[in-house]
Amino acid sequence: QVQLQESGPGLVKPSETLSLTCTVSGGYISPHYWSWIRQPPGKGLEWIGYIYNSGNTNYNSSLKSRVTISVDTSKNQFSLNLSSVTAADTAVYYCARAEAGVMGYFNWGQGTLVTVSS
Amino acid sequence: SYVLTQPPSVSVAPGKTARITCGGNNIGSKGVVWYQQTPGQAPVLVIYYDSDRPSGIPERFSGSKSGNTATLTISRVEAGDEADYYCQVWESSSDHWVFGGGTKLTVL
Repeated sequence: QVQLQESGPGLVKPSETLSLTCTVSGGYISPHYWSWIRQPPGKGLEWIGYIYNSGNTNYNSSLKSRVTISVDTSKNQFSLNLSSVTAADTAVYYCARAEAGVMGYFNWGQGTLVTVSS
Repeated sequence: SYVLTQPPSVSVAPGKTARITCGGNNIGSKGVVWYQQTPGQAPVLVIYYDSDRPSGIPERFSGSKSGNTATLTISRVEAGDEADYYCQVWESSSDHWVFGGGTKLTVL
């Protein structure tokens, strides 16, 4: 069973770039859909975007201008960069792998809280 | 963009049946997934492919679809079922995943 673990700063200043990494163990990065999903405190889940097969990406339209997802196959990791953050970007950020195809379900990391504050 | 609509809250007495709906245009053509989330935890899969149950999930949890609505049914509700529940689909026209807004299940 593949396991995912998020890592990165828990505090980011407004206008800066939020950067998180997801380390995958028990499986290989390719060829799967790897996603980032976030959940603001007390609110629902929001899909951020995915990277597939080490290069193809697609992002939530509401975040597209600020999001980059990339992969490092040598380290079995994929990453999220979210630029120009504001307090509205404060959330628990989850990395996840799509299982059983795109119409299947997510296998989730435990999540990491990122707070945007000066 | 595609929208999934869930009621914000559902309340049910122990031992009764809870039904949580998820409405979306043409949802009948999409595979619906349901997650259960308790405070401070990552979501846990309870239903996938509309009505399949992963191992370890009680038979009390079931999924169905009719028209533009998918339904998660929890029979013989227990106090431990109190949680937030989210539906999810893959929207093929945009290659996006979409989540419903979530439903808080309260066991009275």
